[in-house]
Amino acid sequence: AQKVTQAQTEISVVEKEDVTLDCVYETRDTTYYLFWYKQPPSGELVFLIRRNSFDEQNEISGRYSWNFQKSTSSFNFTITASQVVDSAVYFCALSETQFTQGGSEKLVFGKGMKLTVNP
Amino acid sequence: DAGVIQSPRHEVTEMGQEVTLRCKPISGHNSLFWYRQTMMRGLELLIYFNNNVPIDDSGMPEDRFSAKMPNASFSTLKIQPSEPRDSAVYFCASAFWVGRQETQYFGPGTRLLVL
Repeated sequence: AQKVTQAQTEISVVEKEDVTLDCVYETRDTTYYLFWYKQPPSGELVFLIRRNSFDEQNEISGRYSWNFQKSTSSFNFTITASQVVDSAVYFCALSETQFTQGGSEKLVFGKGMKLTVNP
Repeated sequence: DAGVIQSPRHEVTEMGQEVTLRCKPISGHNSLFWYRQTMMRGLELLIYFNNNVPIDDSGMPEDRFSAKMPNASFSTLKIQPSEPRDSAVYFCASAFWVGRQETQYFGPGTRLLVL
């Protein structure tokens, strides 16, 4: 069965520090997708990135970057020069391929990691 | 464009009452998902639909929970009768499925408290 592990439950940093959020996944599928979502204190879930299993290129978007390594089954997320607005719970998720009856795949979420950025 | 819309945003009810949560997916999306979030269990998928048809309801806790999607722009999640352990945040998400995994976009959630 698919599984996503976010070993860190909570991290506190000071503004402008870099911080890396770890995500390790388990799957038997050869084709799968990985995601990161952000849940700010207001409660909504905000999509950050989607990655498919055939694309191991690192991705950078502003202060955010992602490191996908199939060899270690990891999809880590780094925030550079963190800001107070980055304070949130971050979720890593893995798609669970399902071909019966066709249709979109289910997402399996990690437990989330709470990031607090202090001024 | 409007995102996923959920109503109500907050619901407080007494044990034994019926609760109905509503969701309007993003226009054009053909997959819809209901999730529940609690401190103890995190984010759990309850049920999802493709083209208005329920595909997997294995996450629905018990018979007290039911979900419907009468058309492409509306879905409900009903709890009858409600119990205090149903207190959680319920999220609806939608996606445009074209034969491979597409991004799910979440609504703001409904915070349910059952007294």
